[in-house]
Amino acid sequence: DAGVIQSPRHEVTEMGQEVTLRCKPISGHNSLFWYRQTMMRGLELLIYFNNNVPIDDSGMPEDRFSAKMPNASFSTLKIQPSEPRDSAVYFCASSPGYEQYFGPGTRLTVT
Amino acid sequence: GENVEQHPSTLSVQEGDSAVIKCTYSDSASNYFPWYKQELGKGPQLIIDIRSNVGEKKDQRIAVTLNKTAKHFSLHITETQPEDSAVYFCAVEYGNKLVFGAGTILRVKS
Repeated sequence: DAGVIQSPRHEVTEMGQEVTLRCKPISGHNSLFWYRQTMMRGLELLIYFNNNVPIDDSGMPEDRFSAKMPNASFSTLKIQPSEPRDSAVYFCASSPGYEQYFGPGTRLTVT
Repeated sequence: GENVEQHPSTLSVQEGDSAVIKCTYSDSASNYFPWYKQELGKGPQLIIDIRSNVGEKKDQRIAVTLNKTAKHFSLHITETQPEDSAVYFCAVEYGNKLVFGAGTILRVKS
């Protein structure tokens, strides 16, 4: 089992550009979570899906953030336009029930 | 909503000693309590979890204890080794989501 796969691992972009982060969950897991991690705020849940349907997006900071899960094996998190305060590590996690398994993360730097 | 407090924020122990990290939570309806270990540059890794129907669970050098009445649970690492050095997070299930503690930086000195 390859675990949760995220791409890219690192992303450096300029303010105002669109950023797309990608996630492939573990096969058979029916829930997918997007988190953001910063020193100041720790691990924050942005949004989660159950059976490809968004269930709770109350953690999405603002309209610049959007997430999709077009099928059971793929999800994206998009930031448009990006701002320097979006700089963080973004994690995707998948779950078959209670346990959540995290990917390696995408380190985003917005200059 | 659920509030999770984790202590201490940093912990230094000598190799071979034990380490204990404690978390308290606010919602008595929570029933699932995992612990994660995060090494530098990696994602959090689930190392042990406990459900509310048991008071203790062990896995080799790692154990978790749960006191539902007092709403706290603890991670115990015995015979610590340098490779145990990492950031440890507790979490509490809250409505199909996990709410994480702020993390504990554990340093094991050899």
